Amino acid sequence: QQQVKQSPQSLIVQKGGIPIINCAYENTAFDYFPWYQQFPGKGPALLIAIRPDVSEKKEGRFTISFNKSAKQFSLHIMDSQPGDSATYFCAAGGGNQGGKLIFGQGTELSVKP
Amino acid sequence: DAGVIQSPRHEVTEMGQEVTLRCKPISGHDYLFWYRQTMMRGLELLIYFNNNVPIDDSGMPEDRFSAKMPNASFSTLKIQPSEPRDSAVYFCASSKYRTEAFFGQGTRLTVV
Repeated sequence: QQQVKQSPQSLIVQKGGIPIINCAYENTAFDYFPWYQQFPGKGPALLIAIRPDVSEKKEGRFTISFNKSAKQFSLHIMDSQPGDSATYFCAAGGGNQGGKLIFGQGTELSVKP
Repeated sequence: DAGVIQSPRHEVTEMGQEVTLRCKPISGHDYLFWYRQTMMRGLELLIYFNNNVPIDDSGMPEDRFSAKMPNASFSTLKIQPSEPRDSAVYFCASSKYRTEAFFGQGTRLTVV
């Protein structure tokens, strides 16, 4: 019930491609779904987040798609750049979880020039 | 604001020694979280505080781990005695609201 499952574990795309990272959750009480970006040697940084009352949110080249009935959400990176190479984590929280965020296992993205 | 500040950035210690990790949250944030990151287990929440009070410590692995928040601008995570399996990167994060957490740079702990 507490798990957030993230896939794929790693992803390689060419510059300009659109990597897609998927996450699935089980606890229907979750009401906050952020994505974090982490570069080597740094802490995770909040990238974009969505609440379940909308199906899509865009910020710059980053888009979250949310499917409440399927309990799935995904991150799309438009026109990906080598500087986007990082590890991406989805998370879920809110609702009856208090301040907790449950993180997925992470996706290591490599964008080739 | 300088963001969440953690110290030390790196710590190497011998098995059995006491280790203390420190965190200064972002001013005005009333939630503070301690996370541990390993390759095997990913990012795990150890404990979190709200207004300096521990709310959920169910992620603390065992009694060797303890955390305190004596005031709104400082928290410590202590491991006593330390073991090699405690080697990980420990992150502190803070938030003004329950869910928008901002992470520090982390402390890389190596127990030999």
